[in-house]
Amino acid sequence: ETGVTQSPTHLIKTRGQQVTLRCSSQSGHNTVSWYQQALGQGPQFIFQYYREEENGRGNFPPRFSGLQFPNYSSELNVNALELDDSALYLCASSSGGVWKKETQYFGPGTRLLVL
Amino acid sequence: AQSVTQLGSHVSVSEGALVLLRCNYSSSVPPYLFWYVQYPNQGLQLLLKYTSAATLVKGINGFEAEFKKSETSFHLTKPSAHMSDAAEYFCAVSDAGGYNKLIFGAGTRLAVHP
Repeated sequence: ETGVTQSPTHLIKTRGQQVTLRCSSQSGHNTVSWYQQALGQGPQFIFQYYREEENGRGNFPPRFSGLQFPNYSSELNVNALELDDSALYLCASSSGGVWKKETQYFGPGTRLLVL
Repeated sequence: AQSVTQLGSHVSVSEGALVLLRCNYSSSVPPYLFWYVQYPNQGLQLLLKYTSAATLVKGINGFEAEFKKSETSFHLTKPSAHMSDAAEYFCAVSDAGGYNKLIFGAGTRLAVHP
């Protein structure tokens, strides 16, 4: 069974640029959630995708957007990068769809540095 | 709205000593509670979860946690610390809303000294 994978592992961007982060779900999982973990803090929920649609968003502006593909993999896109976007971005997958409180399994994360 | 408070951002214990990491939650509905561990430069690994079955939950690596509704607590314990337990530990509650969202505490960094 393959776990959650994310790419790239590290990324350096400059302010104003755009970035795309990728996530492959654990085998058999149909729901993907994205979290932002700033240095020294707990992860904060960005949004969740199920059946290729966004289902639920945390307190993040529209420049944070995502996609989910038919194979359940997902992308997180961030436009107009700001210095405060520097963080570890975690992807988590789960089964059972949006409404069931199934356990979320996390990937290793992508560390983004915005200069 | 749900929330999680982890008391003590840093905890230091000696190898072989009891580990106690504190977590208090706030929830308007019976909660689903989780403990995750994060090793340096890695993602989150599930230690254990409470889903309204037994109040004492056993997890991996010898950790366990007890759900106490009257105290709104879900403290994590391990009888004997090992050097490899040094990591950041996060308590989380599942959001009561209509989707599967986790609300995390700020984390507790555990240091284990020889």
